[in-house]
Amino acid sequence: GESVGLHLPTLSVQEGDNSIINCAYSNSASDYFIWYKQESGKGPQFIIDIRSNMDKRQGQRVTVLLNKTVKHLSLQIAATQPGDSAVYFCAENNNFNKFYFGSGTKLNVKP
Amino acid sequence: DVKVTQSSRYLVKRTGEKVFLECVQDMDHENMFWYRQDPGLGLRLIYFSYDVKMKEKGDIPEGYSVSREKKERFSLILESASTNQTSMYLCASSEGMAGVTFGPGTRLTVT
Repeated sequence: GESVGLHLPTLSVQEGDNSIINCAYSNSASDYFIWYKQESGKGPQFIIDIRSNMDKRQGQRVTVLLNKTVKHLSLQIAATQPGDSAVYFCAENNNFNKFYFGSGTKLNVKP
Repeated sequence: DVKVTQSSRYLVKRTGEKVFLECVQDMDHENMFWYRQDPGLGLRLIYFSYDVKMKEKGDIPEGYSVSREKKERFSLILESASTNQTSMYLCASSEGMAGVTFGPGTRLTVT
């Protein structure tokens, strides 16, 4: 089980580098996935989504990759900026109306 | 550009008090959710509602109840607050299979 007070995994990158944040999901029946960004003191914000009939989807500076074989999702951020510093977490949907969220990865962008 | 609002950003209550957390969405969404977010545990679903006066238990409903008398409003009630309910509470709404939109969160401290 999970422990209260467990620290979030942290990814530190240099400003301008690309970031890759990974997420393993649990249910092979999940067919819709979302990445959220949460800045300190704020609610999570939608970044990008992908459905299970796709392997890749691109947005502005962000790309989501889905590997259904190994139940793995990744978020790639190009040319990472200080404003990208936040906690990122993935969500999966395998039941109409209900989403399940990962615990998140903290991205720290060094100037 | 108001979408999901929560009545308080910060709240301090005493053990045993009855606590109401209010959430309003202006997107005419059918589904509304209450999550709590704790370090290392991610977002855990407390209750959700897919229609007025309808509610379903999430993963951790113990110690909580909800009310949805109007489509735009979803209230979370702590009947007798306890210190282990100190947490960040996030309200969200969604329509169908679209992603959830979160409110800014309420940081509740129970002393």
